Amino acid sequence: DAGVIQSPRHEVTEMGQEVTLRCKLISGHNSLFWYRQTMMRGLELLIYFNNNVPIDDSGMPEDRFSAKMPNASFSTLKIQPSEPRDSAVYFCASGAHNYGYTFGSGTRLTVV
Amino acid sequence: GENVGLHLPTLSVQEGDNSIINCAYSNSASDYFIWYKQESGKGPQFIIDIRSNMDKRQGQRVTVLLNKTVKHLSLQIAATQPGDSAVYFCAENRGRGEKLTFGTGTRLTIIP
Repeated sequence: DAGVIQSPRHEVTEMGQEVTLRCKLISGHNSLFWYRQTMMRGLELLIYFNNNVPIDDSGMPEDRFSAKMPNASFSTLKIQPSEPRDSAVYFCASGAHNYGYTFGSGTRLTVV
Repeated sequence: GENVGLHLPTLSVQEGDNSIINCAYSNSASDYFIWYKQESGKGPQFIIDIRSNMDKRQGQRVTVLLNKTVKHLSLQIAATQPGDSAVYFCAENRGRGEKLTFGTGTRLTIIP
């Protein structure tokens, strides 16, 4: 198994542009988590899905952020429009119930 | 103004010595705890987990201890190696099933 795969690894975009981050889960995992990591705030949970259904999106900063899980193996996190304060490393992680998550390598987003 | 960022506790240990990383958790409802290791430029990596019905669990060179009375979790790494240098995070589920909340992390540096 290749593990959790995120793309792109790095993204540099101009303020106001739309950004889409992608995540492929580990086969057989039924939970998907999006985290954001910054020096100021550490690791923050943005949203998580269970069996493709969003369970808790209370960490999503504002309406500019949206996440989807169109099937059991894939998810996207979209920021529209992006702002410089969105610059961070975004991780997705997948897991099976009550076991530790497996994280992807992250997407480093820079909004200029 | 200048961003201060999170202040990570740091621990420096001589190669070959044992290290202990501590974590205080806040929620008495938490019943599942995990330790993660994050190397520079990588996603957090699962090390070991423990459930609240246990007070100790051992892995390869690592031991996790849980003291529910004082809400304290520790990670012991035996015979440390240079590759153990990383930031270590504890995470708890706060009684909310699989949703994990991460601590701020501790930076461990192994001195050759």
